Amino acid sequence: DQQVKQNSPSLSVQEGRISILNCDYTNSMFDYFLWYKKYPAEGPTFLISISSIKDKNEDGRFTVFLNKSAKHLSLHIVPSQPGDSAVYFCAALPGRDSGGSNYKLTFGKGTLLTVNP
Amino acid sequence: DAGVTQSPTHLIKTRGQQVTLRCSPISGHKSVSWYQQVLGQGPQFIFQYYEKEERGRGNFPDRFSARQFPNYSSELNVNALLLGDSALYLCASSLYPTSGGNEQFFGPGTRLTVL
Repeated sequence: DQQVKQNSPSLSVQEGRISILNCDYTNSMFDYFLWYKKYPAEGPTFLISISSIKDKNEDGRFTVFLNKSAKHLSLHIVPSQPGDSAVYFCAALPGRDSGGSNYKLTFGKGTLLTVNP
Repeated sequence: DAGVTQSPTHLIKTRGQQVTLRCSPISGHKSVSWYQQVLGQGPQFIFQYYEKEERGRGNFPDRFSARQFPNYSSELNVNALLLGDSALYLCASSLYPTSGGNEQFFGPGTRLTVL
């Protein structure tokens, strides 16, 4: 049972345009969400995060939006660059009231983003 | 500053064998987590250790075990290897084991192939 879902296995965009990566979750106990980027032969690299008390967090070209009622978050990359081509993982953490399991990251399957020059 | 390091990079074993994977966290980080990433899937949580104590365990059989040393490095052991254990094993370190703003930083992983 997938608690974090990334329904698009891949996404292709042109350099300079916006990339939008989507993520849905089912577990209401999740209250902290992260995006990781992964290049081949490397471990995932932390990109940006958002707490459930916010609906938006911005860091340079990267913005994460959280719609808690829809259990949906998205990562926007503007403008997209060829170096952004990687697999992007959405991950979630439960809150501190979750019975002690708030250390366990639950990941989606990832979306392969390709930014074409 | 060195990031999370893992050894070996690649490993080939046969079914039934045992394997030990090693991880050194970022200097100052006291918590280490292990994840298994099977091809086409996201990483799956195996263990977390903090101050040498197991803080959590994912849904993995008892063939998987781990430990953390006084210098906060960690080992993951897998006994009686199965073909399905073939995966990228990722180690992540963080200052503390709890959530929210305490991001986990991943190493490059160990690619285990079981033949």
